[in-house]
Order: sequence, then C-alpha cells, then structure tokens
Amino acid sequence: EPEVTQTPSHQVTQMGQEVILRCVPISNHLYFYWYRQILGQKVEFLVSFYNNEISEKSEIFDDQFSVERPDGSNFTLKIRSTKLEDSAMYFCASSDQGLRGYTFGSGTRLTVV
Amino acid sequence: AQTVTQSQPEMSVQEAETVTLSCTYDTSENNYYLFWYKQPPSRQMILVIRQEAYKQQNATENRFSVNFQKAAKSFSLKISDSQLGDTAMYFCAFSRESGNTPLVFGKGTRLSVIA
Repeated sequence: EPEVTQTPSHQVTQMGQEVILRCVPISNHLYFYWYRQILGQKVEFLVSFYNNEISEKSEIFDDQFSVERPDGSNFTLKIRSTKLEDSAMYFCASSDQGLRGYTFGSGTRLTVV
Repeated sequence: AQTVTQSQPEMSVQEAETVTLSCTYDTSENNYYLFWYKQPPSRQMILVIRQEAYKQQNATENRFSVNFQKAAKSFSLKISDSQLGDTAMYFCAFSRESGNTPLVFGKGTRLSVIA
C-alpha cells in the first residue's frame, strides 16, 4: 500500500526559529495538502498545492508559512518565525482525482518552546 | 462555507456490541463527498469509509457502515461487533469534490471500546 512519508516525526524548536517540515507524497498523486491539529482539537486545513502552485489556503496560512515542491518528490512546509501557538501536529496528505480519497502521513509533532 | 458537526464528544461501547457515531453537515453544494477517519493514539489519520453524495446506496466496509441521509444532511457511522482496536478518535469530514479540494473536519468523537 503506497504511503505518504513525513519527517521528522517530532521536532522541538525555539520560539522565533524557522522550521521546515518535510513530506513525500504518493508518487502518482497530483494534489498535496497540509493540515494542522492542535492537541485535543479538530484537524484544520492550512494549504493545498497543485501544478506547482497554491490552489487554496486558509486564514491560518499567513505570511509566516510557505510551501514548496523543490524536486519531483518532496513537499515542504516552512514556518519562518515560530510562535508558541504553532505547537501542533502537522499532517501532510495527498490525493489523485480518483475514487480513493486522501492519504495522510503519520504527522510531525512540532513543539515550540 | 461548509461546516461539520459531531455532537458526541465521547462514547463508549462494550466489546462485540454495535455503536453509532453521529455527524451532520451544512452545505449548499449538490455534489460532494463525506468521509470518516479514525485516529488511534498513534495520531495517524486512517480512512475508514467514504460516501459520494450522488450515490443513494450507503457505503459499507466490513464492520463499518454509514447511514447517509442527504435531505437531512446526516452521515452517521455504525460500527458492528466492536473490537478493542476500534478505540480511537473518529472524525467526520466533508469535501466539495473528491481528490482536489480540502477536507473540512468535525471536532471528533472519542470512542472507547470496553472489554
């Protein structure tokens, strides 16, 4: 079964530092997403990416966030200057336009101290 | 904007019994897709079942089935013969189309299966 791979599984960073969260989507998928889940809360959409550009973003995805697909396989989320409230689980997901829906990675737990 | 409501924050069920988790949603779209995701303590998001709104037949995956009531905008999940491994958070989710639009999630229902 194809998987979405996320690294690292857990990252601790100092407030104000930049972090990059990495994802390898399923190889034949065309649509990529980042979601965030603050502990004990619901999963929230951040951004979607298609054809090398952002297709949708939420109000959470402000200027501190950026996404990139630097090569043919990786999909990254960068937070430029982390805040305490950025502490959350970050999920990458990918999909094709078929009937199999969305596949999520195992998540990266980001802790900002 | 679409919203998804799960009115049961927590539920419990005895092993081997049947439990139903509720979900309602609000949309003006006519064609859309609905999902149930399971999140065990590992926090992985695992697809349980999906339903296309244009299909009248309720989706079924082994012990998991849905009751989709389009007019009532209701999408409940029934778990039959509950197993200890079913203990998890369950999230109901909506997408305008399948595969290229973001998912909107409910707040989740924490299900505990008791031996």
